[in-house]
Amino acid sequence: GQQLNQSPQSMFIQEGEDVSMNCTSSSIFNTWLWYKQDPGEGPVLLIALYKAGELTSNGRLTAQFGITRKDSFLNISASIPSDVGIYFCAGQRNYGGSQGNLIFGKGTKLSVKP
Amino acid sequence: DAGVIQSPRHEVTEMGQEVTLRCKPISGHNSLFWYRQTMMRGLELLIYFNNNVPIDDSGMPEDRFSAKMPNASFSTLKIQPSEPRDSAVYFCASRDGGANKETKTNTEAFFGQGTRLTVV
Repeated sequence: GQQLNQSPQSMFIQEGEDVSMNCTSSSIFNTWLWYKQDPGEGPVLLIALYKAGELTSNGRLTAQFGITRKDSFLNISASIPSDVGIYFCAGQRNYGGSQGNLIFGKGTKLSVKP
Repeated sequence: DAGVIQSPRHEVTEMGQEVTLRCKPISGHNSLFWYRQTMMRGLELLIYFNNNVPIDDSGMPEDRFSAKMPNASFSTLKIQPSEPRDSAVYFCASRDGGANKETKTNTEAFFGQGTRLTVV
């Protein structure tokens, strides 16, 4: 099946540090999404990207849709303890004007030391 | 809106029993996804529906799994017979499948809280 390669798998950082994670694919996507999952909960959308080259911010979070449409990154600035969780990238393609399915990366587990 | 609602939140069953997971998508959303999450395999797409019609079920593991969407406000994922390796968290997500024609953007999928299934 389709695969998204997300890295790193896990990160252990000090509070206040910046974080960067990314996703790559061998295929082109029309949309890139970044989700965060807290323990015992479903993934929650953080940022959605719709155009190649698009750079979007949501508070301390910044994400970019790669020019080649095969990659995306997510940065978190000045991390805080509540940033702890698993971050997922997801890619979506359109087919003939209809939206296709949503494929997820394996996730990046973020741990923040106070 | 209450969001995507899944039931039950937790299910413990014995091997060989039938299990039915339920999902109520967000009102007005016409795409629905079922995912399975495990430590080893992450979030795997099992099946997705557009307008109650299954579009892609290539992720359904085997014939023991079946999914239905009898109407726009309800879907079920059934496992019969269940096996210990089916133990996982199962998520349902819904999306407004119509792209925004003015901004040419898609809409995003929203997840339920999941059903944690344990088969013993």
